[in-house]
Amino acid sequence: LAKTTQPISMDSYEGQEVNITCSHNNIATNDYITWYQQFPSQGPRFIIQGYKTKVTNEVASLFIPADRKSSTLSLPRVSLSDTAVYYCLVGDWGLDKIIFGKGTRLHILP
Amino acid sequence: DSGVTQTPKHLITATGQRVTLRCSPRSGDLSVYWYQQSLDQGLQFLIQYYNGEERAKGNILERFSAQQFPDLHSELNLSSLELGDSALYFCASSVGRAWTEQFFGPGTRLTVL
Repeated sequence: LAKTTQPISMDSYEGQEVNITCSHNNIATNDYITWYQQFPSQGPRFIIQGYKTKVTNEVASLFIPADRKSSTLSLPRVSLSDTAVYYCLVGDWGLDKIIFGKGTRLHILP
Repeated sequence: DSGVTQTPKHLITATGQRVTLRCSPRSGDLSVYWYQQSLDQGLQFLIQYYNGEERAKGNILERFSAQQFPDLHSELNLSSLELGDSALYFCASSVGRAWTEQFFGPGTRLTVL
């Protein structure tokens, strides 16, 4: 599993766009990049997954540069309810050990 | 609602005791995963089952065991409980073997006194 580095915490304001960057310098050719969101006392929720370039769904966008050594989760126009911990995971489909790490605590202010 | 169910929601027991946590995956999902989340350790992967067979093992203690039954529900057995086993235990499921898109249940909060 490629080691990932994320900011421990971030603050932003309602209505702003929030970008959370994850570094994964030793990402392997077969690795995918996956982001999860977790609210207090709830299980993580899958947000988005990508391999290269840009992926967008109804919740977020994921930007992956050509070298794939980092990725950025973009949350458009955040609200208070987006306050949560966001995890970046990198690995291939056959991974036999799953590591969530510490994640990024995002705090949205009114 | 993820479609994954876990019972019980809360469990309070004493040190040295044994408990069983139950998980029903989403309809059609063949993989079940178990995680432990405590305040100081974060979310720790314990074990994965795929279609009844153990597929991957993480930081699961020898005092803990799990199994997946023919109807695909899974149970996590925790024995000789210690105070440090107090945590939230999550079950997740996915369609196939791949771990990347998992659907998590609401969790079981275990308190060991």
